[in-house]
Amino acid sequence: KAGVTQTPRYLIKTRGQQVTLSCSPISGHRSVSWYQQTPGQGLQFLFEYFSETQRNKGNFPGRFSGRQFSNSRSEMNVSTLELGDSALYLCASRKRQGDEQYFGPGTRLTVT
Amino acid sequence: SQELEQSPQSLIVQEGKNLTINCTSSKTLYGLYWYKQKYGEGLIFLMMLQKGGEEKSHEKITAKLDEKKQQSSLHITASQPSHAGIYLCGADDLYNNDMRFGAGTRLTVKP
Repeated sequence: KAGVTQTPRYLIKTRGQQVTLSCSPISGHRSVSWYQQTPGQGLQFLFEYFSETQRNKGNFPGRFSGRQFSNSRSEMNVSTLELGDSALYLCASRKRQGDEQYFGPGTRLTVT
Repeated sequence: SQELEQSPQSLIVQEGKNLTINCTSSKTLYGLYWYKQKYGEGLIFLMMLQKGGEEKSHEKITAKLDEKKQQSSLHITASQPSHAGIYLCGADDLYNNDMRFGAGTRLTVKP
């Protein structure tokens, strides 16, 4: 079974731009969660989608948004990029809440 | 909200030595997950513990969840360079309906 895939793997953007990251979950997994990982803050929850509905959102500004499609693929968008948005963005999928999550390789975003 | 504290923050051991990493929660754990991460890469799922007193093993790695379900330990027997990486514990935060992670333990195994 193919694992969680994320595209692109690396991205360099300038301040003020916007970016869209993509995540394809493991087949059969309907839940997709997004996390931001930085050296200072560690791994922080952004949001979770289940069957195209956002189930929960972490403590991030409205510039961070996401969506999930009917095939469970998910996208995350960050608008008006700031230097502090530089991070590794990870997505994870699972069948249902309470199951273990499987993570993708991440997208390394650098904002200059 | 649920907070997870991991100790130690970093660990350097000689190959062949045993080691233990701890994860302590501020609240009762309903699902405790252990992951391993190579620098800058995704997290690899190791084990999930749900019941108090539960213990699981995979190859040379054993994880336990204490009876009170507020602490978990990860034990590696006869460590190898391939065990090097960052170990993170994660837990379902039922109050906030999300998942929280500890800050991680960076393990270095010297050959």
